[in-house]
Amino acid sequence: EAQVTQNPRYLITVTGKKLTVTCSQNMNHEYMSWYRQDPGLGLRQIYYSMNVEVTDKGDVPEGYKVSRKEKRNFPLILESPSPNQTSLYFCASGLAGYGYTFGSGTRLTVV
Amino acid sequence: DAKTTQPPSMDCAEGRAANLPCNHSTISGNEYVYWYRQIHSQGPQYIIHGLKNNETNEMASLIITEDRKSSTLILPHATLRDTAVYYCIVRGSGGTSYGKLTFGQGTILTVHP
Repeated sequence: EAQVTQNPRYLITVTGKKLTVTCSQNMNHEYMSWYRQDPGLGLRQIYYSMNVEVTDKGDVPEGYKVSRKEKRNFPLILESPSPNQTSLYFCASGLAGYGYTFGSGTRLTVV
Repeated sequence: DAKTTQPPSMDCAEGRAANLPCNHSTISGNEYVYWYRQIHSQGPQYIIHGLKNNETNEMASLIITEDRKSSTLILPHATLRDTAVYYCIVRGSGGTSYGKLTFGQGTILTVHP
């Protein structure tokens, strides 16, 4: 089944403890992206990648890192999480000219 | 990317057509109109997209005006499961224009029994 898989689905962590949220797609999509969603602020793009080893900042990249070493994976790294990064995170993938497929989301709480 | 304007909310009776409008008066010639929806806190779901011709798929129809300054997403027979936030997005088709996808506030569609 074609899908975008995020892990974990839920995560509670403490301030400053490095964490990685994984994202994997099995559709050979060139494009991958990360979004966060907060009440009243909607969906905001964090980073995106047009292909392997090519990444660009979205609208809210501060405090996040990404890497695209292989086409199927696009992990989101929080080196030193803070409470203001508590949010619902979505990964997406797609091909140029087509719609994106989104993952089911990762709900992150930083205490 | 061109900015879009959508009504904050709309209601529709179950079984009737839901017509969701979107204004994008600053759209440029190579920009497409995309529609997504998000049901509760699930990941957004792609619905349909088009450049200038009307489009139809198994989920919906997209009507784009001749001047391309506005469009309408039509759900022909709305069901309770179509209750969601619907996003209209305008963006380019290639290069970094494809990568930058900006969601607005969308339209909350509520389908009533």
